[in-house]
Amino acid sequence: NAGVTQTPKFRILKIGQSMTLQCTQDMNHNYMYWYRQDPGMGLKLIYYSVGAGITDKGEVPNGYNVSRSTTEDFPLRLELAAPSQTSVYFCASSKIQGVDQPQHFGDGTRLSIL
Amino acid sequence: AQSVTQLGSHVSVSEGALVLLRCNYSSSVPPYLFWYVQYPNQGLQLLLKYTTGATLVKGINGFEAEFKKSETSFHLTKPSAHMSDAAEYFCAVSDTGSNYQLIWGAGTKLIIKP
Repeated sequence: NAGVTQTPKFRILKIGQSMTLQCTQDMNHNYMYWYRQDPGMGLKLIYYSVGAGITDKGEVPNGYNVSRSTTEDFPLRLELAAPSQTSVYFCASSKIQGVDQPQHFGDGTRLSIL
Repeated sequence: AQSVTQLGSHVSVSEGALVLLRCNYSSSVPPYLFWYVQYPNQGLQLLLKYTTGATLVKGINGFEAEFKKSETSFHLTKPSAHMSDAAEYFCAVSDTGSNYQLIWGAGTKLIIKP
């Protein structure tokens, strides 16, 4: 049972480089989310999507872009990497957005910007 | 706006002792509350949730939590700690004013002493 799969698991970037964090889910979930997790700060929502072709900003969207061309995939793009983007990034999905629907998480991408 | 406060970034208990992890929330409407657990180098997984009905909620791995409206609390407990419980625990509230997005606490790392 794959669930939510994130790649890569680790990455080191230089300031100003760009990269795409990949996320795919095989549960046919409509909702997908990108969070960043910083020590002692909990999870902050970057972007979310309610279905293919529809995305919206979360709490901390600056410096990131997303797209949702299929139900399964929700990549996160960093265009000009900055040290402040060093973090652990989690992708999650849920069937619908509602109180009875838990979010299913990937194992995370640990990103360092040097 | 809703918020979540977890008291104590680290909690240390001996194996076999009671586990108590504290969570307080602020909400102007009846909240929906969640506890998630994160094992090292993994994503988060749902431990238990409160939506409506019985205020004492049982989850996986012997954990339970009690919703106390008068105290705006949703503390997580387990009668007897196991070494395998060592993880980080996150409390979250569903933001009914923002289409049920989750608002996360900062997390509490549970350390189990042998």
